[in-house]
Amino acid sequence: QSALTQPPSASGSPGQSVTISCTGTGSDVGGYDYVSWYQQHPGKAPKLIIYEVIKRPSGVPDRFSGSKSGNTASLTVSGLQPDDEADYHCSSYAGRNNLVFGGGTKLTVL
Amino acid sequence: QVQLVESGGDLVKPGGSLRLSCTASGFIFSDFYMSWIRQAPGKGLEWISYISSSASSKNYADSVKGRFTISRDNAKNSLFLQMNSLRVEDTAVYYCARYDFWNGYYFDNWGQGTLITVSS
Repeated sequence: QSALTQPPSASGSPGQSVTISCTGTGSDVGGYDYVSWYQQHPGKAPKLIIYEVIKRPSGVPDRFSGSKSGNTASLTVSGLQPDDEADYHCSSYAGRNNLVFGGGTKLTVL
Repeated sequence: QVQLVESGGDLVKPGGSLRLSCTASGFIFSDFYMSWIRQAPGKGLEWISYISSSASSKNYADSVKGRFTISRDNAKNSLFLQMNSLRVEDTAVYYCARYDFWNGYYFDNWGQGTLITVSS
């Protein structure tokens, strides 16, 4: 159950787009279309923003989008807004009813 | 609306035990799988356990297997985590979350968390 690999930080200016990667293996990200992404503001609980690689829960703006290629999943935030500044965590099903998270990425809106 | 409220966090010595609770409201608790996830200070999230709606199925991360036990009381809309043989590295904020096991293995609602500090 090794953690997925995310860059520690990412940044962009308001209005720009930023993509955050989440790299695993063929036993987790590459093996299943069950990647989810969570947004976490400081001192707050995580919030689901993407599930099953590309799906958005009701109420999440379409500025947030997900994708996957091979063993790497990605979260793209378009039209960056100040409130998008937060930590972003990816998660993947890893078989045998196990889940694995990434180390988290701190997104800074410059 | 869905609400999850954790309690039971405390300062405990290495080797000690603690029981966390999570009280749910705003949904039919007995219909849903539930999970515990933790976050060490300044670190990422770590899934540690899930339990099925009827409590017939459970699973644990290797890091807590044999030391932690998840359980639930559907009559009281409550989820529990019994933590034994606690280690310094168990220090974290512990979140309970509603777990969509059948449709995509994701956590669609989270509590605010409760802090466990393991230190001598």
